[in-house]
Amino acid sequence: GENVEQHPSTLSVQEGDSAVIKCTYSDSASNYFPWYKQELGKGPQLIIDIRSNVGEKKDQRIAVTLNKTAKHFSLHITETQPEDSAVYFCAASNPSAGGTASKLTFGTGTRLQVTL
Amino acid sequence: NAGVTQTPKFQVLKTGQSMTLQCAQDMNHNSMYWYRQDPGMGLRLIYYSASEGTTDKGEVPNGYNVSRLNKREFSLRLESAAPSQTSVYFCASSEFEKQETQYFGPGTRLLVL
Repeated sequence: GENVEQHPSTLSVQEGDSAVIKCTYSDSASNYFPWYKQELGKGPQLIIDIRSNVGEKKDQRIAVTLNKTAKHFSLHITETQPEDSAVYFCAASNPSAGGTASKLTFGTGTRLQVTL
Repeated sequence: NAGVTQTPKFQVLKTGQSMTLQCAQDMNHNSMYWYRQDPGMGLRLIYYSASEGTTDKGEVPNGYNVSRLNKREFSLRLESAAPSQTSVYFCASSEFEKQETQYFGPGTRLLVL
């Protein structure tokens, strides 16, 4: 099955700096890669996603890049703000793995702390 | 539109007790999921239901059972709780045709003594 590795496990940046979180996946058939943000005491919430036919996607201060050949994808947050402090999870999905369900395999998470 | 709701929010059980975690979604989604979240291990899939009337095992199904009661509701049952089942449990749903975004509930924190 799919295996997703995520690094680093913790990341501390100063407000205004950029943050980068990296993930690698093992199943070359995976074609959907979402990123979730989890604030303390809440469930994960999708912040951005990318499909395998696209190399990069941006949404304001957040961007995701995908390298299918190397089987890795990254989350980039620019001009970080204190409200960006949270745990971020990457995930990968193989469309054939779960039938009609979008079966995701998650990374182990990165705790991002943005300091003033 | 409440999205995905879960009850209870917090529960303490003694070893051997049973309980059912409830999940409901009002987005007319076809697929629903149960995950557990443990420190340093991310989210691991316990069971999922691709559509009403079907359920399948995920990565860590042992010690759990599920019921897809109808299109809206998907429950998770622990028949004989063990300390190893202490965790935070999340329910999620997705629109199967798009095979994409999963929407998560707020979670149930379970402590088994």
